[in-house]
Amino acid sequence: EAGVAQSPRYKIIEKRQSVAFWCNPISGHATLYWYQQILGQGPKLLIQFQNNGVVDDSQLPKDRFSAERLKGVDSTLKIQPAKLEDSAVYLCASSSQVANEQFFGPGTRLTVL
Amino acid sequence: ILNVEQSPQSLHVQEGDSTNFTCSFPSSNFYALHWYRWETAKSPEALFVMTLNGDEKKKGRISATLNTKEGYSYLYIKGSQPEDSATYLCAFNSGNTPLVFGKGTRLSVIA
Repeated sequence: EAGVAQSPRYKIIEKRQSVAFWCNPISGHATLYWYQQILGQGPKLLIQFQNNGVVDDSQLPKDRFSAERLKGVDSTLKIQPAKLEDSAVYLCASSSQVANEQFFGPGTRLTVL
Repeated sequence: ILNVEQSPQSLHVQEGDSTNFTCSFPSSNFYALHWYRWETAKSPEALFVMTLNGDEKKKGRISATLNTKEGYSYLYIKGSQPEDSATYLCAFNSGNTPLVFGKGTRLSVIA
């Protein structure tokens, strides 16, 4: 069974630039999560999708972050414009149902200069 | 606000030593406690999902216990090996709420 795929693995941008991350969850997993993990902190949920609908985006900074999962499969997370404090690892995870075990991708390490 | 605390923050042990970490979580509205191992440049890997008070789970040299009444879980590693070096994350959720992660314990096993 293929795992959760993410790209790119690494990204370096300057502040005020835009960036997008892509995630392909495990086939058949209805629930998809985006987490932000800042160095020294635990992963923090940014947004949770159930199929193509948003379940929870309460911690997503909506002035600059957006995410979509149009066909209920893969998803993109965008930051526009980026700030220095957005430097983090962005993890995507999927699960077959809400509250079930989550399977993580390798993450995208973003550095904002 | 749900808070998950992990200790110690980091740990250095010699190869062959046994070690353990602690995860503290809210004892009310408990649903599940998850342990993950996250090696550098890899995906976080699920170790255990624990739901029952008093539960003990084991995978090879790694085991975990759960006390939902007092709100803590221990992760034990017996005879640590260099390949055990990783960050160990615990995460808590209650019902359909999102996982809340601790900051992790960073383990370094020195050969």
